[in-house]
Amino acid sequence: KQEVTQIPAALSVPEGENLVLNCSFTDSAIYNLQWFRQDPGKGLTSLLLIQSSQREQTSGRLNASLDKSSGRSTLYIAASQPGDSATYLCAVETSGSRLTFGEGTQLTVNP
Amino acid sequence: DTAVSQTPKYLVTQMGNDKSIKCEQNLGHDTMYWYKQDSKKFLKIMFSYNNKELIINETVPNRFSPKSPDKAHLNLHINSLELGDSAVYFCASSPSGGATYEQYFGPGTRLTVT
Repeated sequence: KQEVTQIPAALSVPEGENLVLNCSFTDSAIYNLQWFRQDPGKGLTSLLLIQSSQREQTSGRLNASLDKSSGRSTLYIAASQPGDSATYLCAVETSGSRLTFGEGTQLTVNP
Repeated sequence: DTAVSQTPKYLVTQMGNDKSIKCEQNLGHDTMYWYKQDSKKFLKIMFSYNNKELIINETVPNRFSPKSPDKAHLNLHINSLELGDSAVYFCASSPSGGATYEQYFGPGTRLTVT
């Protein structure tokens, strides 16, 4: 059974700092890994999707890496801004389009 | 706007009642999903439909019954609601099952059972 763990559970940083969020999964037989952002009381917004054959994806200040063999992914946020404050969720897709989510990292960027 | 939409946004009801949550996507996607986010914010898949056919049915009480009248809609009907059903329910869609495509989520329906 696939299990996804995110560390840390919460993170508070000053504005402008670069930061890394971590995600690990127990079964390396994944199709892809997706990072989402969830704002309080809102739905999920997809940030980046990394195929199992890829090592990283970039979008603006975000860079996500994937090491499938070790079961790890990181989300790197450069030059953090208060607007980046949200919960970041990692999810892996296994057979049958099944997404398994981590519990998320709650990020607070202080002005 | 192209999106995944859900109604209602909030639903407060008493134990034992039957309720439905509706989901519609106008993205032209073939696959739709229902997820439950519990009080600890943990998201877990419940059901998935591809072209109106059920492809994922996790260990969910049979009081929960998804219905897909067409591939743009996936409704969730819940019978005999219990306190433990209180959660936020998210609908999602993707172009197809498989590795290539992102899943797009609706805004969620917060269900409170009293």
